[in-house]
Amino acid sequence: EAGVAQSPRYKIIEKRQSVAFWCNPISGHATLYWYQQILGQGPKLLIQFQNNGVVDDSQLPKDRFSAERLKGVDSTLKIQPAKLEDSAVYLCASSFGGGRRFEEQFFGPGTRLTVL
Amino acid sequence: EDKVVQSPLSLVVHEGDTVTLNCSYEVTNFRSLLWYKQEKKAPTFLFMLTSSGIEKKSGRLSSILDKKELFSILNITATQTGDSAIYLCARSNDYKLSFGAGTTVTVRA
Repeated sequence: EAGVAQSPRYKIIEKRQSVAFWCNPISGHATLYWYQQILGQGPKLLIQFQNNGVVDDSQLPKDRFSAERLKGVDSTLKIQPAKLEDSAVYLCASSFGGGRRFEEQFFGPGTRLTVL
Repeated sequence: EDKVVQSPLSLVVHEGDTVTLNCSYEVTNFRSLLWYKQEKKAPTFLFMLTSSGIEKKSGRLSSILDKKELFSILNITATQTGDSAIYLCARSNDYKLSFGAGTTVTVRA
């Protein structure tokens, strides 16, 4: 079974530029998560999708971050414009869905973003 | 935000030592307590604990939950260099996980 795929693996941009990350979850997983992990901290949930609907985006800085999962499969996370404090690893995870299964999350390799 | 506190923040041990990691959490809407191992970037699932006092084991790793005192411990016995990683604790509520900052474990040969 293929794991969660993410691209790119690394990205370096200047502040005020825009950047996009892509995630393809495990086949059949209805729920998709984007996490931000700043160095020295645990992953923080940015947004959670159930199929193509948003379950929770309460910690997504909506003035600069956006995310979509149009067909309920792959997803993109965009930052525009980027700030220095956005430097972090962006992790995508997926799970089967609700009930007990959502806790069994499978993580992708992440994208390390550096904003200069 | 649901608070999860891990201790220590980091530790260095020698191969063969035993390591005990701690995780405390807030009780609001608690469903389960999870442990993940993070090497490089992707966290990988270790344990999910829902019942108090029942130890879960996987090889040299074991974990237990105390729902009265609101904490969990993760033990690693006979440590190996491959155990070097960040160990993350997370609690779940109805639909999401909240992670602690992690404990960085370094095992020296």
